[in-house]
Amino acid sequence: KAGVTQTPRYLIKTRGQQVTLSCSPISGHRSVSWYQQTPGQGLQFLFEYFSETQRNKGNFPGRFSGRQFSNSRSEMNVSTLELGDSALYLCASSTGLAGGGGPDTQYFGPGTRLTVL
Amino acid sequence: GQNIDQPTEMTATEGAIVQINCTYQTSGFNGLFWYQQHAGEAPTFLSYNVLDGLEEKGRFSSFLSRSKGYSYLLLKELQMKDSASYLCAVPGGYQKVTFGTGTKLQVIP
Repeated sequence: KAGVTQTPRYLIKTRGQQVTLSCSPISGHRSVSWYQQTPGQGLQFLFEYFSETQRNKGNFPGRFSGRQFSNSRSEMNVSTLELGDSALYLCASSTGLAGGGGPDTQYFGPGTRLTVL
Repeated sequence: GQNIDQPTEMTATEGAIVQINCTYQTSGFNGLFWYQQHAGEAPTFLSYNVLDGLEEKGRFSSFLSRSKGYSYLLLKELQMKDSASYLCAVPGGYQKVTFGTGTKLQVIP
């Protein structure tokens, strides 16, 4: 079974630009979560999508948005980039079917390394 | 909210045993995850504990005490390839997982 794939792997942008990152989950997984990882803050939860609906979100500004398509692929968009947005962006997939919204084991993609100049 | 504490760095010798501790505070408990992350790579799942006690998986074991808000990851017979960051994480609702900042383990010969 193929793992989680993310594109692009590396990206360089300048302040004020916008960026779109893509994630394809493991086949059969319907939940996609996005995380930002920086050396100082560690892994921080951005949002989670299941069957094209955002079910949960973290404490990030509205410049960070996402969506999920009917084939479970997900995209994340960051508008008006700031220097502090430089980070590794990881997506994780899971079945999303744990009862009562309970936790599933998440499988991570290799990440997109975003550098904002 | 949720808060997780784990040591920033540890060093251990090849062949030895190392214990990586994690303390957490959470408003609702849904279990605890451990992930391993090699430099420049994605985190990979190691274990998930939801009940108190020790769970063993080969060279790796994970322990949980819900009453103390405490977990540890035990690595036996350390190998050089175990040099990595180890992340403790507690899930909230719908995959909202809070991660600790990770413990960077260096295994030396």
